[in-house]
Amino acid sequence: EDKVVQSPLSLVVHEGDTVTLNCSYEVTNFRSLLWYKQEKKAPTFLFMLTSSGIEKKSGRLSSILDKKELFSILNITATQTGDSAIYLCAVLFGNEKLTFGTGTRLTIIP
Amino acid sequence: DGGITQSPKYLFRKEGQNVTLSCEQNLNHDAMYWYRQDPGQGLRLIYYSQIVNDFQKGDIAEGYSVSREKKESFPLTVTSAQKNPTAFYLCASSRVGPYEQYFGPGTRLTVT
Repeated sequence: EDKVVQSPLSLVVHEGDTVTLNCSYEVTNFRSLLWYKQEKKAPTFLFMLTSSGIEKKSGRLSSILDKKELFSILNITATQTGDSAIYLCAVLFGNEKLTFGTGTRLTIIP
Repeated sequence: DGGITQSPKYLFRKEGQNVTLSCEQNLNHDAMYWYRQDPGQGLRLIYYSQIVNDFQKGDIAEGYSVSREKKESFPLTVTSAQKNPTAFYLCASSRVGPYEQYFGPGTRLTVT
């Protein structure tokens, strides 16, 4: 059964800290792994990763994929209160269906 | 502005009634999707469609129905057969292939 597992489920840190969110997966016919940020309603797209070892970066956020060990990490440096959200990891497999993890709820304390 | 719209934002229904949630996109995407989100369970796929007049069941299709008569529109009907319909429903669209999905603002359905 295709599975996506995120950890931790919840994380509380102080503003300015660096956080690492984890996503591991077991899927057949892997195509890509996606990260989304969900603040109140619609998840917004952050990154799509298809190749191992190539870091994707956007400002203070970065992500990398390890296709051998079947995981990805999302790093956020110098966190701000606006980073508080649920971060969703999803894996796209052969027939273009996305399987989502349960998400990591990140809370940044001022 | 290109995007995905869902209506209404909040919907209240009595048990036993069917209800239809609207999803429209003007991104010219061929593929559209419906997800359900419950607390602590992430997003689960209900139905998806990659072309007009064709759609496939997702992981939790029981008690739901969809239609895809136009490229821009993918309405979801929550039928009375759905045992636990109260949830947050998200619609998404994408190009067909390994591309990111874009989400609408969601509809929160409460059935009492």
